[in-house]
Amino acid sequence: GEDVEQSLFLSVREGDSSVINCTYTDSSSTYLYWYKQEPGAGLQLLTYIFSNMDMKQDQRLTVLLNKKDKHLSLRIADTQTGDSAIYFCAGYPTDNTNAGKSTFGDGTTLTVKP
Amino acid sequence: GAVVSQHPSRVICKSGTSVKIECRSLDFQATTMFWYRQFPKQSLMLMATSNEGSKATYEQGVEKDKFLINHASLTLSTLTVTSAHPEDSSFYICSASKGQGALFHEQFFGPGTRLTVL
Repeated sequence: GEDVEQSLFLSVREGDSSVINCTYTDSSSTYLYWYKQEPGAGLQLLTYIFSNMDMKQDQRLTVLLNKKDKHLSLRIADTQTGDSAIYFCAGYPTDNTNAGKSTFGDGTTLTVKP
Repeated sequence: GAVVSQHPSRVICKSGTSVKIECRSLDFQATTMFWYRQFPKQSLMLMATSNEGSKATYEQGVEKDKFLINHASLTLSTLTVTSAHPEDSSFYICSASKGQGALFHEQFFGPGTRLTVL
C-alpha cells in the first residue's frame, strides 16, 4: 500500500510564505490531495493535483509535484493567522476496486504567528 | 454541493453503553462511505469502508463486533460503538464519495463526532 510522510510541524510569521512537504511511495497514485483541518472540525479539501501535472495554482495555494522524487508540496502565499491548522496530504490509488480508499499522511501542524 | 453532516457532534457516555453516530450526505448520493478515527494530534485511521446495501469492509485490527456499521441508504451510514470503554474515546470522522464522475473517488468529510467515554 501507499505510505505518505509529512513533516509534523511548521511555524511561520504572518505574511510569509509557508511550504508544507509530503513524500509518497506509490508512484501509481493518480490523484494527490491536500486537506486542511481546523481544531475540532472535519477535513476541508483545499486542492488536488493529477499525477500528469507538475504544478497547480489556486489563488494563494500552489501545489508542486516532483514525480521523480515522489515529492509533493503545498505553498501558501501571504500566510494568515486563519491558515493555522493541520494540513494533510493524501494519495488515491488508481485501482478502481479501491476507489476512494486513500492513504493520509500524519499531518503538518502549521502555526502562524502575528 | 457535496455536504456531509454528522450527528451528534459531541457525546459523553458511561462505560458499557452503546453510542450511535450518524453520517449523512445532504445533497448527493454516496455510493461509498468511510469511517475514520483520529487521536489527538494524529492522522486519520481508516476503520472501515461501507457501500450501500452491503456489509462494511473493516481494516485490519478493527473489531467489527465492536464498531457496527450500517449503510442503509445512499445518504445515510451509521457507526455504533458497542459497550463503549474509555479507550474508545476519540474523534470519529466520516466521509462520503459519489462514486461517479471524473473525481469519482473524491471524499467529502463530515465535521466529526467527539466521543468521550467516562
